[in-house]
Amino acid sequence: GAVVSQHPSWVICKSGTSVKIECRSLDFQATTMFWYRQFPKQSLMLMATSNEGSKATYEQGVEKDKFLINHASLTLSTLTVTSAHPEDSSFYICSARRTDYLYEQYFGPGTRLTVT
Amino acid sequence: QKEVEQDPGPLSVPEGAIVSLNCTYSNSAFQYFMWYRQYSRKGPELLMYTYSSGNKEDGRFTAQVDKSSKYISLFIRDSQPSDSATYLCAMSVGGNYGQNFVFGPGTRLSVLP
Repeated sequence: GAVVSQHPSWVICKSGTSVKIECRSLDFQATTMFWYRQFPKQSLMLMATSNEGSKATYEQGVEKDKFLINHASLTLSTLTVTSAHPEDSSFYICSARRTDYLYEQYFGPGTRLTVT
Repeated sequence: QKEVEQDPGPLSVPEGAIVSLNCTYSNSAFQYFMWYRQYSRKGPELLMYTYSSGNKEDGRFTAQVDKSSKYISLFIRDSQPSDSATYLCAMSVGGNYGQNFVFGPGTRLSVLP
């Protein structure tokens, strides 16, 4: 089956530091990857869409200078939360859409970020 | 009106019951319909996807699409406690690689032993 991994699965960092989260499609190529944020008992909130080799497209209200996204290859996208603050604490989930089957989009297991 | 609506629940059923989960949508251009299951503190897992109208069955799960009513359903037969999760519907117009899926808010299901 199609597998998407995320690393780390959880991270605690101090306010003002930066954190990088990796998202990898392990057994398929993904031209497009997505980053979501989810608060407890709430639905997914799309933050940005990234296409391999292009700049990410950010949703309204998402600060692109704060949430840096890089999609350098067909199997890897990274999200860097810069100058993290406690309000950035959340569950971050990536998903990858198969290049060969566009309607199969698979999610990673998520990364829980806690900023102290 | 939100583009995709879903009753958030929680929906509690006894083990063995047939569960019906539903979504309504407003955009008649949606062509692809997906169902995801999300366990607490995990990423969503793709269960099924269907194209246009009709039914699709996979084991205990049946997905149904009624485009004329802009209504989709997921049926779970012989529900198990392990089915307790949040179920999200998603849909897409289709087309280019970057087309985003529109997700419903999810329905929390609890199957009681």
